[in-house]
Amino acid sequence: TQLLEQSPQFLSIQEGENLTVYCNSSSVFSSLQWYRQEPGEGPVLLVTVVTGGEVKKLKRLTFQFGDARKDSSLHITAAQPGDTGLYLCAGVRGSQGNLIFGKGTKLSVKP
Amino acid sequence: NAGVTQTPKFRVLKTGQSMTLLCAQDMNHEYMYWYRQDPGMGLRLIHYSVGEGTTAKGEVPDGYNVSRLKKQNFLLGLESAAPSQTSVYFCASRKTVYEQYFGPGTRLTVT
Repeated sequence: TQLLEQSPQFLSIQEGENLTVYCNSSSVFSSLQWYRQEPGEGPVLLVTVVTGGEVKKLKRLTFQFGDARKDSSLHITAAQPGDTGLYLCAGVRGSQGNLIFGKGTKLSVKP
Repeated sequence: NAGVTQTPKFRVLKTGQSMTLLCAQDMNHEYMYWYRQDPGMGLRLIHYSVGEGTTAKGEVPDGYNVSRLKKQNFLLGLESAAPSQTSVYFCASRKTVYEQYFGPGTRLTVT
């Protein structure tokens, strides 16, 4: 059973388009993290959202944590080829604060 | 500041052979993790450590052993490799529950 469901699994768009990636669960998380991973490299943290309803912006990227802390979304405005990569959401659970990862959304932005 | 480093970067094993993957971090982090990443499966936690001399099982620990003799190093061992252990292995460390820092990964193929 996958605790965190990401959608879509794949996304191919043209430069300049907007997109939204979703991360959904039936479980509550104390916080949620978004990572980006490029081919042949490890994931790199983009943002952590902690409070239900929280919205964080990172240049053209907007992250939102659901009010019930069960879901999150990542919105990219005017996507660029440099945004290409695998986007992973990860929820923090348990007393040790371990991460539960979604399967990822593979984004390709064509020039 | 090198962050998290992993050796080796690539390795090919025959079924039944053993090997050790080394992870080192220079950020003085207490927590360290080993994950495996398989196509369509996302990142899954193998083992983790909350400090020097401690280890604990994650989601998929079978077939692996770990040791944390020094705070900066976390070793992952495969005693008798199987084709099902073909994967990309990532090490990570963290200071707080809000972020993890990943190494560049080890691509392991078991034939």
